[in-house]
Amino acid sequence: AQSVTQLDSQVPVFEEAPVELRCNYSSSVSVYLFWYVQYPNQGLQLLLKYLSGSTLVESINGFEAEFNKSQTSFHLRKPSVHISDTAEYFCAVSDLGDYKLSFGAGTTVTVRA
Amino acid sequence: NAGVTQTPKFRVLKTGQSMTLLCAQDMNHEYMYWYRQDPGMGLRLIHYSVGEGTTAKGEVPDGYNVSRLKKQNFLLGLESAAPSQTSVYFCASSAPGKGYTEAFFGQGTRLTVV
Repeated sequence: AQSVTQLDSQVPVFEEAPVELRCNYSSSVSVYLFWYVQYPNQGLQLLLKYLSGSTLVESINGFEAEFNKSQTSFHLRKPSVHISDTAEYFCAVSDLGDYKLSFGAGTTVTVRA
Repeated sequence: NAGVTQTPKFRVLKTGQSMTLLCAQDMNHEYMYWYRQDPGMGLRLIHYSVGEGTTAKGEVPDGYNVSRLKKQNFLLGLESAAPSQTSVYFCASSAPGKGYTEAFFGQGTRLTVV
């Protein structure tokens, strides 16, 4: 199983500032990569995913993540955050054909006005 | 479209009591999973199922049992609850193979064992 490291447990950020959440995983075999978001007292919602193709993937609400195979990373970025982006963000990885997800410990993003 | 539904949403148990958490999905997914979420540890896989009638152990299976008698349902049982099982439990489902997209999660069950 993959080991997933999210390098920051807490990220405070001001509204309209950029944010980057870092994610590294352990194995360089073919993988599926995901970012999930969890708002307070809710379940996990998919934010974006990499299955194949372009290494830069985007979400509908302005987030993007880039798959870097050589560095085994899948960092998440947003150029300008909103108060509503306050949530916990989880990076998840599964090996190709496995489908079981390994999760990072999560990064709590708190956006302040 | 309900997706993945978990019952109950909240439960308080006394040490040694038993209970069953129910997960139901209406997406005809083959794979189903139970995870637990603890602060600072992300989500950890307890058990999973790759189809009706099959189950397998995940990363933290001790103290839990599961059953998948019907494709749409995946039950998680605690035979003798312990305070260490206080957690938020999430069920998820996915469809493997060429059409694979992502895992869909339920809203969670918050369990407290006192």
